[in-house]
Amino acid sequence: DGGITQSPKYLFRKEGQNVTLSCEQNLNHDAMYWYRQDPGQGLRLIYYSQIVNDFQKGDIAEGYSVSREKKESFPLTVTSAQKNPTAFYLCASSASGGPNTQYFGPGTRLTVL
Amino acid sequence: AQSVTQLDSHVSVSEGTPVLLRCNYSSSYSPSLFWYVQHPNKGLQLLLKYTSAATLVKGINGFEAEFKKSETSFHLTKPSAHMSDAAEYFCVVSDDRYSSASKIIFGSGTRLSIRP
Repeated sequence: DGGITQSPKYLFRKEGQNVTLSCEQNLNHDAMYWYRQDPGQGLRLIYYSQIVNDFQKGDIAEGYSVSREKKESFPLTVTSAQKNPTAFYLCASSASGGPNTQYFGPGTRLTVL
Repeated sequence: AQSVTQLDSHVSVSEGTPVLLRCNYSSSYSPSLFWYVQHPNKGLQLLLKYTSAATLVKGINGFEAEFKKSETSFHLTKPSAHMSDAAEYFCVVSDDRYSSASKIIFGSGTRLSIRP
């Protein structure tokens, strides 16, 4: 099956810990994205990457970091510098940046204890 | 500058009655417009997409949307609601001038409830 996978589905973190969320796609898409979703709100862009070994900050990049060493993988690290990390995190990919359709993974719910 | 406004945060309809979810947009150029659906604790799924072809766009699960440039609207409709349609719906605008994800704007979402 082609698609986007995210793991884990649920993640619990103690304050002060860094955690890494996984995102993998086998759609051969060039562009990948990370969004944050809070209750009752739309999606806010954290980071995006239009090509391997390159990525740009989105609207709320502070306290997050990413890497894009492989086309199919775009992991997101939530660092201790992120003041309010509890949220639902969604990864997406598209054939290229811009108006092409984005395909979303199932999401990871992160809770800080 | 681009923007997208979903006019209702919550819509409730009875099963079998029509659904209307409203979306207005602002874009300086020819936009691409999307509707996505999100079921609880799931990712987003594309319902339909407008990219300057036919103004009436048909999507999955019986949904359709009409692009009205004069009204800057892209409302989502379905003739007859089903219980499985209960979900959150997002309207999305993307400015065709750009190839950057930062120019993809999500609405705040409309929660659709279906009464038996």
